[in-house]
Amino acid sequence: GAGVSQSPSNKVTEKGKDVELRCDPISGHTALYWYRQSLGQGLEFLIYFQGNSAPDKSGLPSDRFSAERTGGSVSTLTIQRTQQEDSAVYLCASSTPTSGEDGNEQFFGPGTRLTVL
Amino acid sequence: AQSVAQPEDQVNVAEGNPLTVKCTYSVSGNPYLFWYVQYPNRGLQFLLKYITGDNLVKGSYGFEAEFNKSQTSFHLKKPSALVSDSALYFCAVRVLNTGGFKTIFGAGTRLFVKA
Repeated sequence: GAGVSQSPSNKVTEKGKDVELRCDPISGHTALYWYRQSLGQGLEFLIYFQGNSAPDKSGLPSDRFSAERTGGSVSTLTIQRTQQEDSAVYLCASSTPTSGEDGNEQFFGPGTRLTVL
Repeated sequence: AQSVAQPEDQVNVAEGNPLTVKCTYSVSGNPYLFWYVQYPNRGLQFLLKYITGDNLVKGSYGFEAEFNKSQTSFHLKKPSALVSDSALYFCAVRVLNTGGFKTIFGAGTRLFVKA
């Protein structure tokens, strides 16, 4: 079946503009995660969804960042008034339904490379 | 604080030699540990995980990792490296916090395998 997909694959924007990044998880995966990866660096956790709710938003770097998920499927990460330091690859991942303890691995999308000029 | 550390930014090894990529963790309770790999221009892929049971877990592409509770380590190993193993490797630990389960990734270790 299809994996996690993300769009756009590349986005170039001007400082101060808003951007929306989309993630389509694997069908049936209720857990969805957003991460940010700066050039050649590690993964920075942004936000986690279980279904449509986000029990953990602790990684969002500022109030310019927000995310939503509708229908327990597609998620959108929105960055308002983009800054140059927002330039990074934004990765989305999903995992199978969990209840209680969670030892399930995450399946990652190809990422969206965001460049803020 | 719960964390995971990969002490080496880069590991260089000759093709055919054994390789080890190190990972240590600090969590409360029993950890769920993972290794992911990121090949150039490709997304992250799951390699293997430790949840419970045998301390030595085997994963994709001939990789294995050993869970060592006393040393709080989960080093990734392969008996004979291939040039195609050259990639960025991430260790991760799954922890339970107030918002539910959360995955903490290490900073990554870049593996170079030389022919």
